[in-house]
Amino acid sequence: RKEVEQDPGPFNVPEGATVAFNCTYSNSASQSFFWYRQDCRKEPKLLMSVYSSGNEDGRFTAQLNRASQYISLLIRDSKLSDSATYLCVVNAPSGTALIFGKGTTLSVSS
Amino acid sequence: EAGVTQFPSHSVIEKGQTVTLRCDPISGHDNLYWYRRVMGKEIKFLLHFVKESKQDESGMPNNRFLAERTGGTYSTLKVQPAELEDSGVYFCASSPPGPYEQYFGPGTRLTVT
Repeated sequence: RKEVEQDPGPFNVPEGATVAFNCTYSNSASQSFFWYRQDCRKEPKLLMSVYSSGNEDGRFTAQLNRASQYISLLIRDSKLSDSATYLCVVNAPSGTALIFGKGTTLSVSS
Repeated sequence: EAGVTQFPSHSVIEKGQTVTLRCDPISGHDNLYWYRRVMGKEIKFLLHFVKESKQDESGMPNNRFLAERTGGTYSTLKVQPAELEDSGVYFCASSPPGPYEQYFGPGTRLTVT
């Protein structure tokens, strides 16, 4: 079983749509959770950390369910500029190294 | 503030040759990480430095890979001899002391032919 699993997509949505990505992780000892964004041929950049209580940053909402080992990202009112690959990331229980999912590709069209 | 920089941006070498990748972290960042993404796979952790010490090298694939961070500043990752399966994008990341966001460099795209 992969340590972090994501639906690779692609998700093709029109501008203004709401889209949700899901992710599961295998190690219950993981303590830190993140969504990173990666544009084509660029480096990953932190989009937001994910907290147990859920958190929101503008149009982006992240949720964590520790019991189900499940993380989600909701994007409301999608923009063309949201087109990218979204990486679900958890920390390695042994330290601060990051464990990445393969990513979910989002394409927003006008 | 300058971000994480990596050199070279691209490298094409033949199987059996040696390549050295360099990473300059953000100034003041004690933590330095190396990751790698091979085609079709997820980004995978290679190793972690705290200043000049290797904190965790559990992700290093084999002894053909040697990482150093002399003086706790920049780091190098040497692959010797390179094999075809070493092709991929090598990312470096850095962070301040503690559980903070890791800032990634633009990566070095390595192609072994």
